[in-house]
Amino acid sequence: DSGVTQTPKHLITATGQRVTLRCSPRSGDLSVYWYQQSLDQGLQFLIQYYNGEERAKGNILERFSAQQFPDLHSELNLSSLELGDSALYFCASSVGGAMSTDTQYFGPGTRLTVL
Amino acid sequence: DAKTTQPPSMDCAEGRAANLPCNHSTISGNEYVYWYRQIHSQGPQYIIHGLKNNETNEMASLIITEDRKSSTLILPHATLRDTAVYYCIVRVPFQGAQKLVFGQGTRLTINP
Repeated sequence: DSGVTQTPKHLITATGQRVTLRCSPRSGDLSVYWYQQSLDQGLQFLIQYYNGEERAKGNILERFSAQQFPDLHSELNLSSLELGDSALYFCASSVGGAMSTDTQYFGPGTRLTVL
Repeated sequence: DAKTTQPPSMDCAEGRAANLPCNHSTISGNEYVYWYRQIHSQGPQYIIHGLKNNETNEMASLIITEDRKSSTLILPHATLRDTAVYYCIVRVPFQGAQKLVFGQGTRLTINP
């Protein structure tokens, strides 16, 4: 158990819909990272938040957005869903934001299925 | 844009040492090598990381060559529960922060 929690575990929805994925970081961690893992793309970095502020942005689509709240939990919002958005979405957390030795610990993931 | 190369699959007998190689010939002087593993579709699990010296923890040992162009993860006494995909990752500077770039990893199968 990494200490990172994600809800829900599974999500099934239809194309065109909007969903919200939630992540709670380990106690004391200020950074939250979001990753997407699909069958054909592997694990892809989406976005990082550090202490409430966006820190780095990766391969995140414009239909997707994220935020980190004052209590440091984070939400990933996916809208206008397409079949290709079906994937595992992982959240990771770390103590800081930019230190090169800052280890990321991953949550159990949310499996999103778009029908 | 993964900076590492790993064999796609390996087999190891239960109870033996599993040695997983990784090439990272373009690694820069201040970039760390990280190892994670993913069992089925669970979240990636951190194993170990290092810069230039060999490292050991309760899970594994990491041997980094002197030129830092390759490394080996050693699971000293592999068990069936060590069957997983193992990712060797070089953290890369990105927009003033660091990001993990996952490649395809090595699918390690531990056989009874």
